[in-house]
Amino acid sequence: GAGVSQSPSNKVTEKGKDVELRCDPISGHTALYWYRQRLGQGLEFLIYFQGNSAPDKSGLPSDRFSAERTGESVSTLTIQRTQQEDSAVYLCASSLHRGQELAFGPGTRLLVL
Amino acid sequence: AQRVTQPEKLLSVFKGAPVELKCNYSYSGSPELFWYVQYSRQRLQLLLRHISRESIKGFTADLNKGETSFHLKKPFAQEEDSAMYYCALKAFGNEKLTFGTGTRLTIIP
Repeated sequence: GAGVSQSPSNKVTEKGKDVELRCDPISGHTALYWYRQRLGQGLEFLIYFQGNSAPDKSGLPSDRFSAERTGESVSTLTIQRTQQEDSAVYLCASSLHRGQELAFGPGTRLLVL
Repeated sequence: AQRVTQPEKLLSVFKGAPVELKCNYSYSGSPELFWYVQYSRQRLQLLLRHISRESIKGFTADLNKGETSFHLKKPFAQEEDSAMYYCALKAFGNEKLTFGTGTRLTIIP
């Protein structure tokens, strides 16, 4: 079956604009994660969704970042008033249940000019 | 807070030679440790996890709590092992993975 998909694959935006990134997890996967990878750095945890439980938002770097997930389906990560330091690859991952192996998407490469 | 350190950004090894990618962590509790790999033009994927105690593609990793290390080893490197390798830690009761900055392994033919 299809793996985790993300769109767009690349996004170039101007500083101050809002962007929305989309993640389609593997069907049936209850857990969904967003990570950010800046150039030359490791993956930074952003947010975690598990079923209908309240999400773990502890990794969101500022209130400009927000994410939603409807049930166990698609998730969107929104960055408002983008800054140049937001430039990174944003990775989405899903797993069948908490504690299971993560399946990563291809990422969205965001460039803020 | 937990931290994962991979001291080598780049590592080059000749084909057939042993490989060791270093990973050290700091965490006061009982961690769960992982190695993830990203081959060229492919997605990040799980290579192995310490609780499985398995060998994948000839790679093994042993959790050393005394040295707080989880080094990845392979006795004889192969060209297809060239990739980016990330060590990751999951704290007990917490679902988020903390990743190291990664090591780019290049196998020289």
